Amino acid sequence: SQKIEQNSEALNIQEGKTATLTCNYTNYSPAYLQWYRQDPGRGPVFLLLIRENEKEKRKERLKVTFDTTLKQSLFHITASQPADSATYLCALETTDSWGKLQFGAGTQVVVTP
Amino acid sequence: DTAVSQTPKYLVTQMGNDKSIKCEQNLGHDTMYWYKQDSKKFLKIMFSYNNKELIINETVPNRFSPKSPDKAHLNLHINSLELGDSAVYFCASSPWDRANTEAFFGQGTRLTVV
Repeated sequence: SQKIEQNSEALNIQEGKTATLTCNYTNYSPAYLQWYRQDPGRGPVFLLLIRENEKEKRKERLKVTFDTTLKQSLFHITASQPADSATYLCALETTDSWGKLQFGAGTQVVVTP
Repeated sequence: DTAVSQTPKYLVTQMGNDKSIKCEQNLGHDTMYWYKQDSKKFLKIMFSYNNKELIINETVPNRFSPKSPDKAHLNLHINSLELGDSAVYFCASSPWDRANTEAFFGQGTRLTVV
C-alpha cells in the first residue's frame, strides 16, 4: 500500500541549531515533493517544492533534499528560531494524478530559546 | 487581502442536519480543492474542480456534494451529518500548471457534529 511517513514525535530543538525532518514514502513515484508549514488553527502554508530530477533546493534558511532511490526527502531549518515552531508537512504529487497532493501526517517542531 | 477564504471558521451542529461551507479565492487560480484533516492530522483530498469542472472525486460518501458556481468559488454541502464527519475542512486553490502546483489553503472550518 502507499504510505507517506513523517516522524510522529515532536522535534525539540534549541534556538540556533539545525532541525532536520524526514519524509519517507513507499509505493509512490512522485513527480514533485512539497513541504508545508502549519500553525495551530491555520491552514498549511507552502514552503518549498522539489522536482524528481532535483537533488536539493534552498530558500533562505530552509533546505530540502530529494533522494528518489532512498524514497526520502529531508527538510532542514538552519539557525532555527522560536518562530519556526510549527508542524511541517510533506506532500507528494505523482504523474498519474496531477493536482492530487498526498500528505504525510506532519512533524511538530518546537524551538526553545 | 485574504487569498483563500472560507466560512464559517467553526460549525457545531447536530447529527442528521445539512450544512454548507463556502470558499472563495481571489488569486485567479483555475483549480480549487476540498481537503479533510482528521484528528490524526492527516490531510486527505476530497474533491478538486478545474474551471468549474469536477476532476478529482475521491472515495467520499455521496452525502458530500461540492458545487462550483464559478472558478473563484467552491462550496461544500454535507447532508445528513454524522459524528464521523467531525474534522477540519480546508479549501485550497492552485494554478493549473504542471510545473508549479503549489497550493494555497484557507484557514479551515472546524466542523463538530454532536
